[in-house]
Amino acid sequence: DAKTTQPNSMESNEEEPVHLPCNHSTISGTDYIHWYRQLPSQGPEYVIHGLTSNVNNRMASLAIAEDRKSSTLILHRATLRDAAVYYCILGHRDGGGTSYGKLTFGQGTILTVHP
Amino acid sequence: DVKVTQSSRYLVKRTGEKVFLECVQDMDHENMFWYRQDPGLGLRLIYFSYDVKMKEKGDIPEGYSVSREKKERFSLILESASTNQTSMYLCASSTGGGRGSNQPQHFGDGTRLSIL
Repeated sequence: DAKTTQPNSMESNEEEPVHLPCNHSTISGTDYIHWYRQLPSQGPEYVIHGLTSNVNNRMASLAIAEDRKSSTLILHRATLRDAAVYYCILGHRDGGGTSYGKLTFGQGTILTVHP
Repeated sequence: DVKVTQSSRYLVKRTGEKVFLECVQDMDHENMFWYRQDPGLGLRLIYFSYDVKMKEKGDIPEGYSVSREKKERFSLILESASTNQTSMYLCASSTGGGRGSNQPQHFGDGTRLSIL
């Protein structure tokens, strides 16, 4: 399975943009890039996902490199409530297999937001 | 909003007991998943189900079984609980799309299970 690499931790100040990087150099052509986050004492929460083009939603933006070997989750204005563990995950889409949207979580990036 | 509800936030059981963890989702999702989360190991997939009465093993199915008699409910069963099954258990669901599905998963808040 293709793996992702993220920094263990990052820090930001409130109301500043945050760019969370993810490397996935062995990504296959049909793998989607998913981002989830997990706040303390809660289950993971879906943030965004994409295949090739950059994506925007109300929570964040996802910038995908042209060669798809890396991506960046962008939080445009960090708040204290954005402090969480952020997971970059590849969603396998093997047509002949039994993926059914299975996700393999890594260790993620711990984001600390300072007031 | 999708709601995934796990029956207990905290549960304490004894070694050898049969333990049932229940999960209910209210969005008519086809796929449901059970994970466990341990410090340093992240989330690991135990079992998943893509339809009623259908199930597939995940990465760590040993010591567990599952039941999906109704579409909205997915149960995780510890046949004979052991101390190494002390963990946070998380349930998730997602819409269908078959084998190539890449729909977002919606998670419950977890059940922290302690086996004494």
